[in-house]
Amino acid sequence: EVQLVQSGAEVKKPGESLKISCEGSGYAFSNYWIAWVRQTPGKGLEWIGIIFPGDADLRYSPSFQDQVTISVDTVINTAYLQWSSLKASDSAMYYCARHNSAYGDYDAFSIWGQGTLVTVS
Amino acid sequence: EIVMTQSPATLSVSPGERATLSCRASQSVRSNLAWYQQKPGQAPRLLIYGASTRATGVPARFSGSGSGTEFTLTISSLQSEDSAVYYCQHYNNWPPHTFGQGTKVEIK
Repeated sequence: EVQLVQSGAEVKKPGESLKISCEGSGYAFSNYWIAWVRQTPGKGLEWIGIIFPGDADLRYSPSFQDQVTISVDTVINTAYLQWSSLKASDSAMYYCARHNSAYGDYDAFSIWGQGTLVTVS
Repeated sequence: EIVMTQSPATLSVSPGERATLSCRASQSVRSNLAWYQQKPGQAPRLLIYGASTRATGVPARFSGSGSGTEFTLTISSLQSEDSAVYYCQHYNNWPPHTFGQGTKVEIK
């Protein structure tokens, strides 16, 4: 079964660091772009950035550039989203999502993780 | 950044009736448009990609149309399990691949 499994919910204080994960299985992890998406009640779904595990090619939304870091470890088929100094406004549900087709730069997301709830308070 | 605008915000439809959801892009995204369904407590689910291609396992009552800046998702005969929030998303160029704000479909 093709799936993305995310790490569990986190409760942090402002100023703390955090790294959440997304493990892919059931497919060739290196060949599909993986994105991170934020969801809040007020702003809906926001596209944060995306990485191609095969060569670590990385694109960020201008809104999130310099706010978060996306990385990947192809040995353990896992993508990461990290913060160096959390703010209360980072509180949200975070999803990882995989492109529908291998290699293609521009594509829809056909596989989603279950979400990681981050609370900063 | 391309802005995606969905209408209406909420749609109330009787079972068996047709539901029509709209999505407008602030500039052309060609046919690089997807629709997702999200139910409470769940991750979004891909329904339509390429503006009109149903994803694997999606019932035939869901259809998508449009290109350029105007898109439509139609649910031909609404079922109770279709109660959800529906989002459009473009993926025409880098970055970001923005989402619309969503349309909530309620069963009347």
